[in-house]
Amino acid sequence: AQSVAQPEDQVNVAEGNPLTVKCTYSVSGNPYLFWYVQYPNRGLQFLLKYITGDNLVKGSYGFEAEFNKSQTSFHLKKPSALVSDSALYFCAVRDPRVTGGFKTIFGAGTRLFVKA
Amino acid sequence: GAVVSQHPSRVICKSGTSVKIECRSLDFQATTMFWYRQFPKKSLMLMATSNEGSKATYEQGVEKDKFLINHASLTLSTLTVTSAHPEDSSFYICSAIGVGGTSSTDTQYFGPGTRLTVL
Repeated sequence: AQSVAQPEDQVNVAEGNPLTVKCTYSVSGNPYLFWYVQYPNRGLQFLLKYITGDNLVKGSYGFEAEFNKSQTSFHLKKPSALVSDSALYFCAVRDPRVTGGFKTIFGAGTRLFVKA
Repeated sequence: GAVVSQHPSRVICKSGTSVKIECRSLDFQATTMFWYRQFPKKSLMLMATSNEGSKATYEQGVEKDKFLINHASLTLSTLTVTSAHPEDSSFYICSAIGVGGTSSTDTQYFGPGTRLTVL
C-alpha cells in the first residue's frame, strides 16, 4: 500500500541554523513528491515538488528538498532557519499511474519550531 | 502561484442546520477539486474528489447524504454539511487541480480552510 512517513512529530532548531524535516515514502514506480506548509488556521501552501530531473529541488522561501530514490526519501531542508518558518509541514506523494492520477497521500505532518 | 479561495473562513451554527462552504479557483480552471477534513494536530483526511460536471467520488466512510458536494463550474465547488451535529465541527479545506493561469496540472492548490463549529 502507498504511504508517506514523517518520523518526527516536531523539529526544534535555533534561528540561523540549518533545518531538515524528514520524509520517506512507499510508492512503487516514479511518484510525484510534494512539500506543503500550513500556518495556524490556514490552508496548505505549496512549497516545492519533484516530478523528474535533478534530485535537488528548490522551492519557495529558500526551502529545498532532495529526492533519494534508493532511500525512498524526500527530506526538506533550509540552510538557515527563520523564526517565521515555524509552522506545520506536510510531505505528500502521488502515484501518477493511478487512474485519474490525482489521489495524493499526505504524511502526518511535522511541526517545526524555530527558536530565536 | 494559483489561488484558491474559500468562504466563509469561519462559521458557527446550531445543531440540525445546514452549512454551505464555497471553494473557488480564482485564476485557473479547476478541473478537479478535493475536499479534506482536518482534525486538531492531525493530517488531512480526504473526503471526496469531484470533477466539473460530474458526481463526486466519496472516500470510504464519508456519508454522501450528509456531505453534499457540487462542482457545477470550472471555478466553483461547494460542500454542504446537512443537519450538522457537534461531531461535524472541524477544519474543512478544499484544493484544486486545473489548467490556465499560473497553475500546474500536477500540483494541488489549497484554499485557506473553513473552521466549522456546530453548537
